[in-house]
Amino acid sequence: GAVVSQHPSRVICKSGTSVKIECRSLDFQATTMFWYRQFPKKSLMLMATSNEGSKATYEQGVEKDKFLINHASLTLSTLTVTSAHPEDSSFYICSASELAGGNYEQYFGPGTRLTVT
Amino acid sequence: EDQVTQSPEALRLQEGESSSLNCSYTVSGLRGLFWYRQDPGKGPEFLFTLYSAGEEKEKERLKATLTKKESFLHITAPKPEDSATYLCAVQSHGANSKLTFGKGITLSVRP
Repeated sequence: GAVVSQHPSRVICKSGTSVKIECRSLDFQATTMFWYRQFPKKSLMLMATSNEGSKATYEQGVEKDKFLINHASLTLSTLTVTSAHPEDSSFYICSASELAGGNYEQYFGPGTRLTVT
Repeated sequence: EDQVTQSPEALRLQEGESSSLNCSYTVSGLRGLFWYRQDPGKGPEFLFTLYSAGEEKEKERLKATLTKKESFLHITAPKPEDSATYLCAVQSHGANSKLTFGKGITLSVRP
């Protein structure tokens, strides 16, 4: 149980274009989903927290107009990187949390490698 | 502000050589401390959650323990397939339950 998927696993896009990454909880309902960014040999940096049906809460320094997050259902959240630039190239990982019955674990997706050329 | 420090940064062990990974933390009110394993190019894999000092959890060759200031991940008789980065994270009481991660410990187990 507690499986989270991400799509695509890898994407290459040209500078100036937008890219959408999907995060799905496959066998549970995720009331909260999180989006992280990870640079090589570095730990995970939280970008934003999203609760189903409400606006995402962004961490300090993360541009909400550049990283659009939608959490329209209890099993799907999307991250859209708008007008991507080479510095946006990174490993993006989502996690999902059920937050039911005292369960606070976050389960992570496999990640999406974004390369902006 | 919640803080997590993991040590050592990297650890190289011989197969069968037991050791411990340390995670020191400061948090305003601990809801839980989490251990994850991350392989290169993959997302973190959940290992354990510890909620209160004195709690211990085991899974195969791994055992996690918790005190009020730190947590240890003990690896007994490791195998090469245990090679990975081990991440520690804390979650404090409050809205949204976000995790604060340490930088991770990269473990290499030589056959």
